[in-house]
Amino acid sequence: LAKTTQPISMDSYEGQEVNITCSHNNIATNDYITWYQQFPSQGPRFIIQGYKTKVTNEVASLFIPADRKSSTLSLPRVSLSDTAVYYCLVGAYNTDKLIFGTGTRLQVFP
Amino acid sequence: DTGVSQDPRHKITKRGQNVTFRCDPISEHNRLYWYRQTLGQGPEFLTYFQNEAQLEKSRLLSDRFSAERPKGSFSTLEIQRTEQGDSAMYLCASSQISPGGTEAFFGQGTRLTVV
Repeated sequence: LAKTTQPISMDSYEGQEVNITCSHNNIATNDYITWYQQFPSQGPRFIIQGYKTKVTNEVASLFIPADRKSSTLSLPRVSLSDTAVYYCLVGAYNTDKLIFGTGTRLQVFP
Repeated sequence: DTGVSQDPRHKITKRGQNVTFRCDPISEHNRLYWYRQTLGQGPEFLTYFQNEAQLEKSRLLSDRFSAERPKGSFSTLEIQRTEQGDSAMYLCASSQISPGGTEAFFGQGTRLTVV
């Protein structure tokens, strides 16, 4: 399983765009990149998943460069309710268990 | 509600007692995971099932921990002879393996306090 590295914490203000980068230098050919969000006292919630280039959904965008050794989760115009911990996971969908790191704690200020 | 359900939500037990938690996954999901999470840490993998088969157990899972998933439906996690270090949030997740990736759905967790 590819190890991931992401910043421990980030601060932002309401209305700003937030980009959280995750490094995964040892990503394998079959690995997907998945991001989860977790609020206190709740289970993680799936945000977005991608394999290469760019993926966008109603919540976020995921940018993956050609070498796939990193990825960036982009949250447009964050609000106070986006304050949470964000986890980057890398793994093959059909064989791997989900392994979480320590995540990035995002604090959004008014 | 068709999400992942965990029971109980909270459990307080005395050291040395046995506890059992239940997880009801989303019905069509064939994969089920158990995690443990302590304050300030990410979820820590414990074990997972593909249908009724337990595919892997973490080395962190001592002999006091056992999990089952009879008939590939709900799952139970039992902790025998609880210790104070077992105090944590226990999370269950389920997913359906399919081409294009896997999205795991998590339950609300069971918070265990060992006193």
